[in-house]
Amino acid sequence: EAGVVQSPRYKIIEKKQPVAFWCNPISGHNTLYWYLQNLGQGPELLIRYENEEAVDDSQLPKDRFSAERLKGVDSTLKIQPAELGDSAVYLCASSTGQGTGNTIYFGEGSWLTVV
Amino acid sequence: AQSVTQPDIHITVSEGASLELRCNYSYGATPYLFWYVQSPGQGLQLLLKYFSGDTLVQGIKGFEAEFKRSQSSFNLRKPSVHWSDAAEYFCAVGAHNNNDMRFGAGTRLTVKP
Repeated sequence: EAGVVQSPRYKIIEKKQPVAFWCNPISGHNTLYWYLQNLGQGPELLIRYENEEAVDDSQLPKDRFSAERLKGVDSTLKIQPAELGDSAVYLCASSTGQGTGNTIYFGEGSWLTVV
Repeated sequence: AQSVTQPDIHITVSEGASLELRCNYSYGATPYLFWYVQSPGQGLQLLLKYFSGDTLVQGIKGFEAEFKRSQSSFNLRKPSVHWSDAAEYFCAVGAHNNNDMRFGAGTRLTVKP
């Protein structure tokens, strides 16, 4: 069974440029998460989807970040414009979403460097 | 909302020695608890999880963790550390009423030869 797939794995961009990350969750997983992981820190939730609905986006900086999950499968996270402080790892994860305490499976992350 | 504290930022142990990584959580009910490991340049891999029942849970790679409600703790242990265990370890807590999960800041493990 394929795991959570993310692309690109690595991205270097200049500040003020846009960037987008793509995520394909595990087949059948209704819940999809985007986490931000700064260097030396634990993952912090940016947004959680239940199917195509964003049920928790309270930590998403909406002035520059946007996300979508059309058709409730793949998801895209966009930053426009990027700032130096956005350099971090963007982790996508998914779970079955059937009740609480489900195991969350992570992708390998998209590593962003803003110069 | 639930939260997690990992008091140790960095731990160094000798290969073959025992290991204990600390995790304290804050949540108003019985939590769902997880330990993940992250090797450099990789995503997070689940080591073990506690939902209910036996408070001592076994995981992959020889790890185990014990849930202690009275201490709000879920410490990770391994009797004999291998050099390949060097990585970052994250404790996480899940809530009962949704699929939210919160992570600690992590503990970096260094293994000395």
